[in-house]
Amino acid sequence: EEQLVETGGGLIQPGGSLRLSCAASGFTVSSYYMTWVRQAPGQGLEWVSLLSVGGSTYYADSVKGRFTISRDNSKNTLYLQMDTLRVEDTAVYYCATIHYDQWRATGWFDRWGQGTLVTVSS
Amino acid sequence: DIVMTQSPDSLAVSLGERATINCKASQSVFYNSNNKNYLAWYQHKPGQPPKVLLYWASARESGVPDRFSGSGSGTDFTLTINNLQAEDVAVYYCQQYYGTPYTFGQGTKLEIK
Repeated sequence: EEQLVETGGGLIQPGGSLRLSCAASGFTVSSYYMTWVRQAPGQGLEWVSLLSVGGSTYYADSVKGRFTISRDNSKNTLYLQMDTLRVEDTAVYYCATIHYDQWRATGWFDRWGQGTLVTVSS
Repeated sequence: DIVMTQSPDSLAVSLGERATINCKASQSVFYNSNNKNYLAWYQHKPGQPPKVLLYWASARESGVPDRFSGSGSGTDFTLTINNLQAEDVAVYYCQQYYGTPYTFGQGTKLEIK
């Protein structure tokens, strides 16, 4: 069964760092475009970051320069390193695979993990 | 950035009736080279991850009931849910995947009347 499982969330003080992991099973992370999406309490969905098969990275302006997306092929795991965390980064973070479209090198989000909660508070 | 605006913000529909949710993009998400609209619809229930319902604006994801349908092109899109069932209670989002930054509508909360 194809599955994504996020871990690493928790309570962290403003200015702190946290690394989220997204472990994949049933498929190979390095063969897919992968993404992170978050949902703040009572808010809608917000795209956070994208990692292409070739290793290119893209970020929302709200996290650029503070968050880093990466993967470890040997562990079949996607990561999100979050530094200089702010109260407004409090959210459930989901990882997802992208169903790739070659015309525009993009796609919709077709497989999602259950999410991990990050709370930034003093 | 492409801004996605949904209407209404919330909707109450009787069981068995039709629900209609609209989504407007601030610029076209239609790509002439392949005649595709880069627009997806997601269903999000509490405690669960979002689930894709439709992509290319109107193509149904495998396993999604045919009660769910999508229409529209360019900047204006509609999600229609026919014969509303109790399990359809959720928040629905449109999303453009024309390019980064990917953007979602603010969501439409669907309830039973």
